Amino acid sequence: DTGVSQDPRHKITKRGQNVTFRCDPISEHNRLYWYRQTLGQGPEFLTYFQNEAQLEKSRLLSDRFSAERPKGSFSTLEIQRTEQGDSAMYLCASSFLGGTYEQYFGPGTRLTVT
Amino acid sequence: AQRVTQPEKLLSVFKGAPVELKCNYSYSGSPELFWYVQYSRQRLQLLLRHISRESIKGFTADLNKGETSFHLKKPFAQEEDSAMYYCALSTSGGYQKVTFGIGTKLQVIP
Repeated sequence: DTGVSQDPRHKITKRGQNVTFRCDPISEHNRLYWYRQTLGQGPEFLTYFQNEAQLEKSRLLSDRFSAERPKGSFSTLEIQRTEQGDSAMYLCASSFLGGTYEQYFGPGTRLTVT
Repeated sequence: AQRVTQPEKLLSVFKGAPVELKCNYSYSGSPELFWYVQYSRQRLQLLLRHISRESIKGFTADLNKGETSFHLKKPFAQEEDSAMYYCALSTSGGYQKVTFGIGTKLQVIP
C-alpha cells in the first residue's frame, strides 16, 4: 500500500462536459474526505464519508457535484456540466476512526475547464 | 463556524535565522490544531498536532487559547524547510472536518 491514490492526475475538459474522479484510500482507513483547492488558497472541505455513508456535504458542493463510496472502499467525485469556476485541484484524504486523526492526502487531480 | 487565519502568504528568512509562522483561529468549541506541510512536488502531509506536543524536524507549536493562536516556530531555519505550510483546525468530537488556512510559503534563503 503506497498511500492514497487518485486518478486521473490531470483532466482537461470543455465547459459543459461531465467528469469523474476516483480516490483509493489507504486500505484500512474507514474515513474519506474530498477537498478542493484553488490557486492561492488552502484546501476547502467538500464532503466526508465514514465507510459508505456520506455524513456531511459542504455548501460548496452544488447540485452538479456528487460523491459516492459504494462499498466503503474507493470513492468517486462527479462534476456534471462543468464550469470554468470548477477548475481547481481536487484532493482526497483518508483517516482511520479511532486513530490519531491524521488525514493522509492523495496527490490530487488537477481539473482544467476550458 | 470555524476559521483559520494565516496573515502572511510569504515568509522569507535566511538560513540559520529563527522562523515563526503565524496562525490564528476562530472556533467556539474546543479545537484540535494541526500544521500541514507541502514540499515542492509532494503531497500535503501532517507536520504536527497540538495535542501531541511534540517537536518534528525542529518545529514546535503551542496552542494559546487566550490569544486563539497556534504559531509554528523553529529556532534555526534550514534550506530544506522551504515549503508551503498550512495551519488547520478540526472540530473535536465524532469526526474531523478540517478547516485550512490559506497557507504561508516559507522561503529559506541560503
